[in-house]
Amino acid sequence: DGGITQSPKYLFRKEGQNVTLSCEQNLNHDAMYWYRQDPGQGLRLIYYSQIVNDFQKGDIAEGYSVSREKKESFPLTVTSAQKNPTAFYLCASRGYVLADNEQFFGPGTRLTVL
Amino acid sequence: DAKTTQPPSMDCAEGRAANLPCNHSTISGNEYVYWYRQIHSQGPQYIIHGLKNNETNEMASLIITEDRKSSTLILPHATLRDTAVYYCIVRVAAGGFKTIFGAGTRLFVKA
Repeated sequence: DGGITQSPKYLFRKEGQNVTLSCEQNLNHDAMYWYRQDPGQGLRLIYYSQIVNDFQKGDIAEGYSVSREKKESFPLTVTSAQKNPTAFYLCASRGYVLADNEQFFGPGTRLTVL
Repeated sequence: DAKTTQPPSMDCAEGRAANLPCNHSTISGNEYVYWYRQIHSQGPQYIIHGLKNNETNEMASLIITEDRKSSTLILPHATLRDTAVYYCIVRVAAGGFKTIFGAGTRLFVKA
């Protein structure tokens, strides 16, 4: 089945440690996205990538880094510079075959920094 | 991309139609209206989208006003499983990479 996978579903880390969240898609989508969601809030865009080896900062990129070495993969690293990393992280992808295509979302990773 | 305004929460009785409004008064001519919903602790799910004509699919109907400054998502027969946060987004279709989500409307469907 085609889709987006994020792993792990729950992640615990100690303060000051970097952590990498995985996002993989087999939808052959060109664009991929990372969003952060805090309790009771909407989604805020961290980074997005339109094509391989290219990515752009979203609205809250500070303290995060990404890479896009393969079309299928868009890992997000939460660095120790991120002051409040505990949140729900969502990855999404979108294809360009149709002009008005929608985003598909993964199940999310809930990160808790202790 | 244009900004949207939605009520923070709404209630609906099970079996009745749920009508969720969205205001997008600054929408541009080439921007589509998209609706997504998010059930607690899951990724958002696409519902429907449209440009200027009303749209219907198996999940919902989308009514866009003639001036395109507002729209309404209609769930014709709401069930308890429709309890979720509903997001209205406007976005340029081709090349609209930076999709922005607001706080959405939290819909409570009650038995």
